[in-house]
Amino acid sequence: DSGVTQTPKHLITATGQRVTLRCSPRSGDLSVYWYQQSLDQGLQFLIQYYNGEERAKGNILERFSAQQFPDLHSELNLSSLELGDSALYFCASSVTSTLGNTIYFGEGSWLTVV
Amino acid sequence: AQSVAQPEDQVNVAEGNPLTVKCTYSVSGNPYLFWYVQYPNRGLQFLLKYITGDNLVKGSYGFEAEFNKSQTSFHLKKPSALVSDSALYFCAVRDPSNSGYALNFGKGTSLLVTP
Repeated sequence: DSGVTQTPKHLITATGQRVTLRCSPRSGDLSVYWYQQSLDQGLQFLIQYYNGEERAKGNILERFSAQQFPDLHSELNLSSLELGDSALYFCASSVTSTLGNTIYFGEGSWLTVV
Repeated sequence: AQSVAQPEDQVNVAEGNPLTVKCTYSVSGNPYLFWYVQYPNRGLQFLLKYITGDNLVKGSYGFEAEFNKSQTSFHLKKPSALVSDSALYFCAVRDPSNSGYALNFGKGTSLLVTP
């Protein structure tokens, strides 16, 4: 158990809908990362927050957004969903965002868009 | 951007034999390299990392990795494979060009250990 908690574990929704994925980082971790894993794209970095502020953006679509709240939990919002958004979405956290810090991953949220 | 490559999609090894999962890196400056393992329907689990210091890094579950600067490699090794080691292994590098220092992952190598 990494200490990173993600909900829901599984989610099935229809095209055009909006979903929210939630993440609680490890106790004491200030940095949260979101990744998407799919068969064709592999593991893609989406976005990172550090202590409530956006720190870095990766390959995140404009239809997707995220935020980190004062209690440090984070939410990833996916809207106008398309079939191609079906993937495993990981949240990860680290104490800070320095190069040597280990990033710990949650179990992921499986999203199926039908 | 910093990147890693995993040249093998799959590695097959018999239980009890040594295993190696290959990773090469392309970075400017000092590399910060990581290995993760993903069991079926599970999240990514941290195995080990190289930051600086000894070229042989020891990690979880008996795994170790050898950092080779001249060959720009960071191969994952284990002296004696177990069937339970069968999983998907990812090499990753921290990317200082990304202001958040996110991990860039290789495409993964599937390890199959047969009894």
